[in-house]
Amino acid sequence: QQQVKQSPQSLIVQKGGIPIINCAYENTAFDYFPWYQQFPGKGPALLIAIRPDVSEKKEGRFTISFNKSAKQFSLHIMDSQPGDSATYFCAASRGSARQLTFGSGTQLTVLP
Amino acid sequence: DAGVIQSPRHEVTEMGQEVTLRCKPISGHNSLFWYRQTMMRGLELLIYFNNNVPIDDSGMPEDRFSAKMPNASFSTLKIQPSEPRDSAVYFCASSPNTGAYEQYFGPGTRLTVT
Repeated sequence: QQQVKQSPQSLIVQKGGIPIINCAYENTAFDYFPWYQQFPGKGPALLIAIRPDVSEKKEGRFTISFNKSAKQFSLHIMDSQPGDSATYFCAASRGSARQLTFGSGTQLTVLP
Repeated sequence: DAGVIQSPRHEVTEMGQEVTLRCKPISGHNSLFWYRQTMMRGLELLIYFNNNVPIDDSGMPEDRFSAKMPNASFSTLKIQPSEPRDSAVYFCASSPNTGAYEQYFGPGTRLTVT
């Protein structure tokens, strides 16, 4: 019940394309869903996050769509750029200390 | 402001040796998390502290792993004895206060056990 399933494992798009990364969870106790971006040799960095009472959140070119009934959420990157090439992790959080359960990651490559 | 600081950045050791990884959280943050990242298992939470007190160590894989936080500005993760399967990148993250959503990750320590 603690698992967060993420797909696809890897994704290649052309510059300007809209990559979509999907995640699904089982535990309804999760109450916060962040996305992290990780570049090679760096630690993950918070990109955008959403709570389950909201169906969509946009920050710049990044959008999270959330479907509470289906227990799914996804990240869309509008007008993707080569600089967006990184590994993206979805996560789910619960509890007062905000422990994070991570998805398996998606390696995104944006071709110039 | 300095972010989360981890040392060393790279560690290569032989099987059976003791390894100590160090973390300095962001000043003023009172929650600290240790994660391990591998290709096979992804990012796993090992242990977290709140106000220097270990709250949940259920992610620590074996008794060979131990973690301490003697004060608000320093934490260690120790592996004794180390084994090749411990090879991974170990991240430390800190959070501003209990209930805060954001976790700020350090650059990680890449551990290789031969």
